[in-house]
Amino acid sequence: LAKTTQPISMDSYEGQEVNITCSHNNIATNDYITWYQQFPSQGPRFIIQGYKTKVTNEVASLFIPADRKSSTLSLPRVSLSDTAVYYCLLLTGANNLFFGTGTRLTVIP
Amino acid sequence: EADIYQTPRYLVIGTGKKITLECSQTMGHDKMYWYQQDPGMELHLIHYSYGVNSTEKGDLSSESTVSRIRTEHFPLTLESARPSHTSQYLCASRLAGAAGELFFGEGSRLTVL
Repeated sequence: LAKTTQPISMDSYEGQEVNITCSHNNIATNDYITWYQQFPSQGPRFIIQGYKTKVTNEVASLFIPADRKSSTLSLPRVSLSDTAVYYCLLLTGANNLFFGTGTRLTVIP
Repeated sequence: EADIYQTPRYLVIGTGKKITLECSQTMGHDKMYWYQQDPGMELHLIHYSYGVNSTEKGDLSSESTVSRIRTEHFPLTLESARPSHTSQYLCASRLAGAAGELFFGEGSRLTVL
């Protein structure tokens, strides 16, 4: 059963770049790596997804090494509104998707 | 903007009552999920469905039941609510396949007195 491991919490000052690393040693060939953001009392929201190397969109970058056993979500120049819980998830054709504990990011003024 | 809707958003109910949490999506997604989440805690998968007439239990044991009679609709029912059922319930859906994004509803916060 593919699961992920992330730091429980991180703090960062406004304007800094934040990197959150996720370990997924048992990743399968068909798994995609997906990151979600969740604010209090809301459902998680998709941020970014990748299979290998680097993916970038308007809000984040995702770095995946060649062995795919880990991934790093990079948030450039965070603001107070980026304070949230960030989940790393392996997305497969299977039906049971596990979110884990996520990383609670606190952005400090 | 995700086209997945949950009702009610908030529900306060007495012990022993039967409740149904509604979840509907208009995206034609085959796969639908119910997660349970206590405040500040992780999401736990309690039910999922591959498609019409398909339902499975997730990793967290739950006394709730689900049905999938129509593609767009995935209601969750508690026959006799108890205080231990107090939680937030989140519905989600996605297309079949490895790379389908998971879309969440806004959640139903249930309080059982």
